[in-house]
Amino acid sequence: DAGVIQSPRHEVTEMGQEVTLRCKPISGHNSLFWYRQTMMRGLELLIYFNNNVPIDDSGMPEDRFSAKMPNASFSTLKIQPSEPRDSAVYFCASSLNGNTIYFGEGSWLTVV
Amino acid sequence: SQELEQSPQSLIVQEGKNLTINCTSSKTLYGLYWYKQKYGEGLIFLMMLQKGGEEKSHEKITAKLDEKKQQSSLHITASQPSHAGIYLCGADVTGTYKYIFGTGTRLKVLA
Repeated sequence: DAGVIQSPRHEVTEMGQEVTLRCKPISGHNSLFWYRQTMMRGLELLIYFNNNVPIDDSGMPEDRFSAKMPNASFSTLKIQPSEPRDSAVYFCASSLNGNTIYFGEGSWLTVV
Repeated sequence: SQELEQSPQSLIVQEGKNLTINCTSSKTLYGLYWYKQKYGEGLIFLMMLQKGGEEKSHEKITAKLDEKKQQSSLHITASQPSHAGIYLCGADVTGTYKYIFGTGTRLKVLA
């Protein structure tokens, strides 16, 4: 079975550019999570969805960050405009009814 | 997240030694996960604990959730170099499937 699929795996972009990260959750899962991992702050929950509806976005750093889940099989995390401090690994994860959370391989973002 | 405190932050042990990693919360934990991560890779699920007093084992790794459901420990018996990595605890502290994570414990096992 396919796990959580994220793209791109690596992205290097210039400050000010728009960045879009994509995620395909495990088929049948109804919860989707976006996390950001840095050395300084560890693994932070940015936003999570239940049944495609955003439940808690209190972890989203600022208005430059936005996330959508137009259907059960796709979600995006967008940063516009990007800044160097956004450099991090962004993980998408999914679960079924709060059971085991499965993580994608992550998207490594570098903003120069 | 400061809501979940892990200790120690890092650990270096000699191969064959036992070790324990702790995860503590000031709130009731509705579901507690342990994951392992190697540098540059995603998180690999180890175990999930839900009931107070619950204990689970997988190979040489044992995890417990205390009766009050506010602390968990991960114990590795006879550590091996393959156990090296970052161990993270994650938990639902609100009962709404909002899963947050501790800052992680970096484990190095010397051969």
